[in-house]
Amino acid sequence: GQQVQQSPSSLVLQEGENAELQCNFSSTATQLQWFYQSPGGSLVSLLSNPSGTKHTGRLTSTTVTKERRSSLHISSSQTTDSGTYLCAIDRDNYAQGLTFGLGTRVSVFP
Amino acid sequence: EAAVTQSPRNKVAVTGGKVTLSCNQTNNHNNMYWYRQDTGHGLRLIHYSYGAGSTEKGDIPDGYKASRPSQENFSLILELATPSQTSVYFCASGDAVDANSDYTFGSGTRLLVI
Repeated sequence: GQQVQQSPSSLVLQEGENAELQCNFSSTATQLQWFYQSPGGSLVSLLSNPSGTKHTGRLTSTTVTKERRSSLHISSSQTTDSGTYLCAIDRDNYAQGLTFGLGTRVSVFP
Repeated sequence: EAAVTQSPRNKVAVTGGKVTLSCNQTNNHNNMYWYRQDTGHGLRLIHYSYGAGSTEKGDIPDGYKASRPSQENFSLILELATPSQTSVYFCASGDAVDANSDYTFGSGTRLLVI
């Protein structure tokens, strides 16, 4: 089945620093999503980006489909960005659910 | 506001007992999903549904059943709970919006089987 690898597994930042999170997947995905999970909390969809570059607020995602990789750039990090960032791709089609990576745990200190 | 609501938020069950986790969505999404999240394994898909009356097996369906009696409701049933089913369970709803998928997750149910 599909596999999703995320790196790094954890990241420590000082407030104001930028960060780049990586996601590699095993086969062509028609859907690719980035989620944020707060400590002990639920998942919130950040970006849906199957190809190209997308921005929302301080987040930028770039997906190169033929190379089976996506990145999430966080600019000017804030303490409220602390949490786990998950990359997910569709299993076979969007209706059959998502396959998730293990995530990157981000800790931002003042 | 569209949402996915799970109940209960926390549950303690005894080994061999029956557990039902409930999920309600107001997004009017066709598709609904049950995942479990465990350290070292991440989120894994248990069952999903295309609509009322439909249930499909995900990647780890053994020991679980699902029921979708209506568009809004999707339940996960553990007929004979085991300690290995101790986990955090998330329900989600989803649909395609243009070229992208729109997913909404519930807040999760923490299940402890003793």
